[in-house]
Amino acid sequence: ETGVTQTPRHLVMGMTNKKSLKCEQHLGHNAMYWYKQSAKKPLELMFVYSLEERVENNSVPSRFSPECPNSSHLFLHLHTLQPEDSALYLCASSLGRRDSPLHFGNGTRLTVT
Amino acid sequence: QKEVEQDPGPLSVPEGAIVSLNCTYSNSAFQYFMWYRQYSRKGPELLMYTYSSGNKEDGRFTAQVDKSSKYISLFIRDSQPSDSATYLCAMSAGAGNMLTFGGGTRLMVKP
Repeated sequence: ETGVTQTPRHLVMGMTNKKSLKCEQHLGHNAMYWYKQSAKKPLELMFVYSLEERVENNSVPSRFSPECPNSSHLFLHLHTLQPEDSALYLCASSLGRRDSPLHFGNGTRLTVT
Repeated sequence: QKEVEQDPGPLSVPEGAIVSLNCTYSNSAFQYFMWYRQYSRKGPELLMYTYSSGNKEDGRFTAQVDKSSKYISLFIRDSQPSDSATYLCAMSAGAGNMLTFGGGTRLMVKP
């Protein structure tokens, strides 16, 4: 299995739907992250969990709700999204030390119609 | 002004060329510097990682950091079509491991 696995790979949802993105890491890391990647824009950090505690919330709208039940799993719950939320959502993990790099999953391509 | 600037490209080179990819930054507190490679429909993968100033070489790849100029570079020697991807620079001041990313440069290596 790859180090960081994200499901689903693709998701199309209407603005009134509720859906969840899932991320699982098999690297023994203790920090997990959600990033948003939009066309022609840098990666935007959304949330950070360290040892299952949320340590960063970058002014993300409340229609995005993260959940980290343990150090290997991370969810992003979505509800009443807007078309501008269409993007690639990337999960990453790390050892959480200041010198440890991020390991990314392959992302979920989200389209909001 | 963006905290990290990176030319989006695309940069098109012939196979075998030496490629130079660059980023400039404004935050003098950055001390950890990384290059990620992202293929189409994939997540970014770590390519090179350096701390503070200096050079680091790994096979065909060389990363350079010039903190005095706030400028980092990634050189690819003997470029191959398989190097065609988007290259993202990222950097961190170290506190809490929050990375700041450039927007990425799209590289195309033509056979």
